[in-house]
Formats: sequence, C-alpha cells, structure tokens
Amino acid sequence: KNQVEQSPQSLIILEGKNCTLQCNYTVSPFSNLRWYKQDTGRGPVSLTIMTFSENTKSNGRYTATLDADTKQSSLHITASQLSDSASYICVVSVSNYQLIWGAGTKLIIKP
Amino acid sequence: DTAVSQTPKYLVTQMGNDKSIKCEQNLGHDTMYWYKQDSKKFLKIMFSYNNKELIINETVPNRFSPKSPDKAHLNLHINSLELGDSAVYFCASSVGSPNEKLFFGSGTQLSVL
Repeated sequence: KNQVEQSPQSLIILEGKNCTLQCNYTVSPFSNLRWYKQDTGRGPVSLTIMTFSENTKSNGRYTATLDADTKQSSLHITASQLSDSASYICVVSVSNYQLIWGAGTKLIIKP
Repeated sequence: DTAVSQTPKYLVTQMGNDKSIKCEQNLGHDTMYWYKQDSKKFLKIMFSYNNKELIINETVPNRFSPKSPDKAHLNLHINSLELGDSAVYFCASSVGSPNEKLFFGSGTQLSVL
C-alpha cells in the first residue's frame, strides 16, 4: 500500500535552533517528493522538490535530503525563525496523476 | 495579485442546505483541483480538471459536483450538506499534471451545523 509517514507529529523548539523533520515512504513507482509548508489558515506552499537522482537540495535555510534506497527524506531547518512555525507536509508522487500526502509535522518556534 | 483565489473564506450553514465555493486562478495553468483537509489535517484530492475536462474523480459523494466554465475557474457545489462535510476545502492549480508544483488558495472553512 502506498503510504507516507512523517515524524515527529509535532515539535517545539526555541528560536535560533536547528531541527530536522522526517518523511518515510512506501511508494512505488516513485516519481518525485515535495515538501510543502502550510501556515495556519493558509494553503500549502511548495518548498522544494526531490527527484530520484537528487540527494540534497537547499532553499535558503531549508535543506531537503532524499535517500531513495531507504525511502527516506528529511527537511532540515537552520537557525529557526518565528515565521517557520507551520505544518510541513511531505508529498510523494506515484505517477503523473497520483500524489500520496503525509499528515504533516506541526512545528512551533518559541521566542 | 492573488494567484489562486477562492471564496468565501468562511461558510457556516445548516444541514440540508446547498452551497457553492468559487475558485479562480490567474496563473494560466491548465489543471485545477479541489482538496479536502479534515480535522486530522490530511489533504485528500477530490477532483481535478485539465482544460475544463475532468481527469481525477476520487470517491466523493455525488452531492459534490465540480463545475469548470473555463480553465481559469473551478467551482464546487455541494448539495444536501451533512455534518461530516465540515472541513477546510482548498482549491489548487498546476501547469500540467499533479506531478508538478501545486499552487493553493487560502482555503474555505465550511462548518455545517
């Protein structure tokens, strides 16, 4: 069964600290993996896309990794800011027409 | 300039009523979607239209009917609303297939009393 699991479910860290969010998937055939950020009361916004051949990709303070062998991805946030408080959702594309969504990790940054 | 806009932002209504949610995108995208986000925050695809043609129709009660008058608009009409329909509904668009980056509206919070 195609599935995407994210951990932790929620995370609280102090402003300025780093954190890493995890995404494990059992999806086949794999097409790509995206991380979305969803602020409270808003729609998700794409942060980065990982294809099969990519191991690491950065977008400012966000760095995503992909291990296609172990079917794991991570999103590392460096020097967190209050505006990073949001839900982060991992989405794996199975084919051109099917996306498998994770439940998200709710990140809270405290001053 | 809002890329994907949906209205209304909030919708409170009684069971049994019929309501519509409107969505418009000004990105020139070919594909539009309706997603439902329940209380557990899972996003579930409901429908997808490509150039006004239905391409994805998940297991959704037939009380839900999407309508696409042109490729920039995808409206959602819901008949005989039920308590379980309460959720946040998101409209989205992409250049082509769902494989590509999705651009979401800010959501419509539907509360059925």
